[in-house]
Amino acid sequence: DTGVSQDPRHKITKRGQNVTFRCDPISEHNRLYWYRQTLGQGPEFLTYFQNEAQLEKSRLLSDRFSAERPKGSFSTLEIQRTEQGDSAMYLCASSPSSGRASGTQYFGPGTRLLVL
Amino acid sequence: AQSVAQPEDQVNVAEGNPLTVKCTYSVSGNPYLFWYVQYPNRGLQFLLKYITGDNLVKGSYGFEAEFNKSQTSFHLKKPSALVSDSALYFCAVRANAGGTSYGKLTFGQGTILTVHP
Repeated sequence: DTGVSQDPRHKITKRGQNVTFRCDPISEHNRLYWYRQTLGQGPEFLTYFQNEAQLEKSRLLSDRFSAERPKGSFSTLEIQRTEQGDSAMYLCASSPSSGRASGTQYFGPGTRLLVL
Repeated sequence: AQSVAQPEDQVNVAEGNPLTVKCTYSVSGNPYLFWYVQYPNRGLQFLLKYITGDNLVKGSYGFEAEFNKSQTSFHLKKPSALVSDSALYFCAVRANAGGTSYGKLTFGQGTILTVHP
């Protein structure tokens, strides 16, 4: 079963460093989402791609955050000049745009970021 | 703006008893409603969704949820709880197709379900 995969699963970095996370969606899914989850909270939407087009960005996505999906397949989320407040679980999800499963987002295992 | 409220931080139930995890929502237009479960250090697993049609939705692992439009609620239920159901449960809403926000899910704070043997 090829679900959504994320890499790395864990990342520890020092404040001020740049980090990049990768998400590989389910192969036939053309929609891809990034969320951030802090301890004790529900996931919060960051950004959304339909194929390679980034169609929506949350105000949570500051200038230090950038996301890409260059060929409409995998996506990367980069955080520049990390801050301790960036420590969180970063979740990726994908969904198809048609069919019975359309509208359902399937989540990956997440990347847990700790900024020291 | 869309929002979800899960009024109970924790729900405790004995194994074999019925369980209910509450959720109310606010969204413009007709909602898409979802329940997800999260186990420690894992991503979210999809349980069930309401799009349209029958107000009682059946999902994975024996869970079901009832959509109540007048009360704007979507409570998760299971007739007989198992210890293995113990986990963190999230309710989520998204607006129906249309506009620029139709893709994103808005989640509640989560409810910790503990099923005692």
